[in-house]
Formats: sequence, structure tokens, C-alpha cells
Amino acid sequence: DAGVIQSPRHEVTEMGQEVTLRCKPISGHNSLFWYRQTMMRGLELLIYFNNNVPIDDSGMPEDRFSAKMPNASFSTLKIQPSEPRDSAVYFCASSSPLAGSDTQYFGPGTRLTVL
Amino acid sequence: QKEVEQNSGPLSVPEGAIASLNCTYSDRGSQSFFWYRQYSGKSPELIMFIYSNGDKEDGRFTAQLNKASQYVSLLIRDSQPSDSATYLCAVNTFGMDSNYQLIWGAGTKLIIKP
Repeated sequence: DAGVIQSPRHEVTEMGQEVTLRCKPISGHNSLFWYRQTMMRGLELLIYFNNNVPIDDSGMPEDRFSAKMPNASFSTLKIQPSEPRDSAVYFCASSSPLAGSDTQYFGPGTRLTVL
Repeated sequence: QKEVEQNSGPLSVPEGAIASLNCTYSDRGSQSFFWYRQYSGKSPELIMFIYSNGDKEDGRFTAQLNKASQYVSLLIRDSQPSDSATYLCAVNTFGMDSNYQLIWGAGTKLIIKP
């Protein structure tokens, strides 16, 4: 089975530009998580979805960040406008609590650099 | 504020020795406990999970859980240079609308010296 798929793997953009990160969870998993990781702050939960519905977005830093999950197999995280402090690795993870497991499986991440 | 605490390290262990990684958590209602390994530039990957008090062994890895002390540890026997990585402890907790989410520690960097 394919794991969590993220694209792009690397993104370099200029301050003020819009950035869209994409994620395809593991088939059959009904929970999806967006994380951000930096050396200073470690792994931070930004938002998570259950059954395509956003449950907790308290980790989203500010209104410049938005996330959607239009169907069970696709989610996006958008930053508009981007700022240099948004530079980080963004991970998507999925799990299947309906199957009795809250183990999260991570995608390879998107390394974002905002110049 | 629900928290998971880990010593950031680095923890340096000679090859062949036992590496011991520790984690404490604040939420007494937590029921699932996870250890992930993260190599530099890679994503976290699951090593083990444990739900019950006591020890759980998987190959060279042993997870230990003590809910009374709110303490979970990971032992790596016969440490190899390939075990050098950052180890993340994660603990589940009730989030919004009684949905579970994981609270993550900052990770312990482990260095195995040949």
C-alpha cells in the first residue's frame, strides 16, 4: 500500500507569494493531520480533520494559513501571503481511529523556504 | 496545558551498549503511548506503541510504561550506529469534541559512537 503522499517535496518562494501544499492520506484512514516542524519549536500540530471535517485548528498560526479537505483522499494547506518565518518542514499524517488505532503515519514532508 | 517532556540530549552511547530514552507526560487520561524515530531530513516513523503498564519488547527495542508515575521509556539494546537519530515520544489525549490527538515531546537526539 502507498503511504501518505505529499507534494511538492521542496518549495522555494518569495515573501508575499501564495503557497499550496498537498496531501493524500493512506486509503481508508479517516483522520488527517497537518504539522509544522522547525528546530526552534519542534513538531507543532496545525490542524486536524476527522471524516473530512476540521476538528481543531487552534494550532494554525494566523489567518494567513488555511486548510481544506474536500474529500477523503485529498487535503491542502495554503499560506497566503507567505513570510520568511513560515520556512519549515510541513508534514501531513493520517490515522485510522475508526479501526481502533490512533497511530499516525507521516508523509515525507514538504520543505518550504520563503525568501 | 497538556505536555510531554523529553531530555533534548544529545545522548551519546557506545556501540553495543543499552540506550535509555525517557519521557514524562501530564495528562493522566492518556491511554496510548508512542515512540517514533526521525532521521535527519526524514519524516518520523513509528517504532513502537504501548497501551498497558509494564514492558513491551520488539526485537532490540523495549518500551516501558508506568501510568502511576506518568512515565514512558524506550530501551535500545545492542545499540548500532544506525540507531543514531532523534526519538520522539507521543502521547494521546482527548482533543476537541472528544477526538483523540497526539501530544509530542521535543525529541531526544541519540548518538551511537562506534
